[in-house]
Amino acid sequence: QSALTQPASVSGSPGQSITISCSGTSSDVGSYNLVSWYQQHPGKAPKLMIHEVNKRPSGVSNRFSGSKSGNTASLTISGLQGEDEADYYCCSYAGRSTLVFGGGTKLTVL
Amino acid sequence: QVQLVQSGPEVRKPGASVNVSCKAPGYTFNGYYLHWVRQAPGQGLQWMGWIKPNTGGTNFAQKFQGRVTMAWDTSINTAYMELNSLTSDDTAVYYCARAVVGPDYFDFWGQGTLVTVSS
Repeated sequence: QSALTQPASVSGSPGQSITISCSGTSSDVGSYNLVSWYQQHPGKAPKLMIHEVNKRPSGVSNRFSGSKSGNTASLTISGLQGEDEADYYCCSYAGRSTLVFGGGTKLTVL
Repeated sequence: QVQLVQSGPEVRKPGASVNVSCKAPGYTFNGYYLHWVRQAPGQGLQWMGWIKPNTGGTNFAQKFQGRVTMAWDTSINTAYMELNSLTSDDTAVYYCARAVVGPDYFDFWGQGTLVTVSS
């Protein structure tokens, strides 16, 4: 159960769009449409932003969207705002009732 | 709104065990699992395993098998996670989180419990 691969950091200016990738394998991301994304501010518990690749929970801004192609899932944030600055984690079902997280990506809003 | 309320911070010596609780007051877990996720200082999230409250069934990440136990007390709607043979590498914030059965995503999280392992 190796961690999914995410870029350590990404940055963007207010109003811009950024995309965070989450690379897995054919045993996890590539085999199931069960990728979720979480936002975590310092000292806080993670918050669900996207589930099942591209579904947005009630209350989450439509500036957040998800997609998947092959073994790689992506989170896109459009119209960047200062409050979006946080750590982001992807998570995928990995078979046999197990889950695996990505290493996390620190988003900086310039 | 589901609330998951975890027990307070713990300090343990290497080789000891720790038990962290997660209470869901006034809520039933039909159709949900209760997972445990940990985060070492400055590090990412690490999935540990889950318990299915209405059956007591469990499943653990390979890394923790043989060292972790998860339990559920139906009478007080509380989950417990016990980790044994602690080392300094187990110093982390431990979170409980509710997951929807099937889609396996975490919709509600506890506030986290800091476990410090130090001699």
